[in-house]
Amino acid sequence: QLQLQESGPGLVKPSETLSLTCSVSGGSISSSSYYWAWVRQPPGKGLEWIGSGYYSGNIFYNPSLKSRVTISVDTSNNQFSLRVSSVTAADTAIFYCARVGPQMTFDLWGLGTMVTVSS
Amino acid sequence: QSALTQPPSASGSPGQSVTISCTGTSNVVGRYNYVSWYQQRPGGVPKLLIYEVTRRPSGVHPRFSGSKSGNTASLTVSGLQAEDEADYYCSSYAGSNTYVFGSGTKVTVL
Repeated sequence: QLQLQESGPGLVKPSETLSLTCSVSGGSISSSSYYWAWVRQPPGKGLEWIGSGYYSGNIFYNPSLKSRVTISVDTSNNQFSLRVSSVTAADTAIFYCARVGPQMTFDLWGLGTMVTVSS
Repeated sequence: QSALTQPPSASGSPGQSVTISCTGTSNVVGRYNYVSWYQQRPGGVPKLLIYEVTRRPSGVHPRFSGSKSGNTASLTVSGLQAEDEADYYCSSYAGSNTYVFGSGTKVTVL
């Protein structure tokens, strides 16, 4: 069965760029049925959709984060990535990667990775 | 893109029912039948409970049900059990391949 696994540094300095990767196993990221998303959750707070990507390269962003976020899909390595630039303490969160199904729902989630922004 | 509005908390005794609302605009919840609900237990990963307003994924108990009226979607948990104590989030497709989550509701089983 398909699994998602986030990876990346757990600590990033203010003003630097946060970079995470989500590895997809047990299935192909090139499936035409799915988008691949990033969702974050600050400590003690709710979920926020960051953006989604398709294997063809189409990428869609949350308008509130669009100026600082880049999502890419790497079909050759079956993974997708997130970059958030100019981070501040407000970007401290658990970052989840997730699969978005044709029913417009987040139907499969990674375990999440905690990223702290601190000097 | 503002978060969908959910009550911060809800509670009920074992065996009772609790209903959680999720209110958005006519351009989001009111326009699309793509509302989903997720359960997140403490320290856990969100788990899909309901999609397309009313549909349950395989393996989700029928005690969980969804509905929608106008700009408000609702999740009802019937026959409350101790294991239902968790945070619940709604999400909605918002058009142009964008999504918005609800603010979250903490359900307490008394």
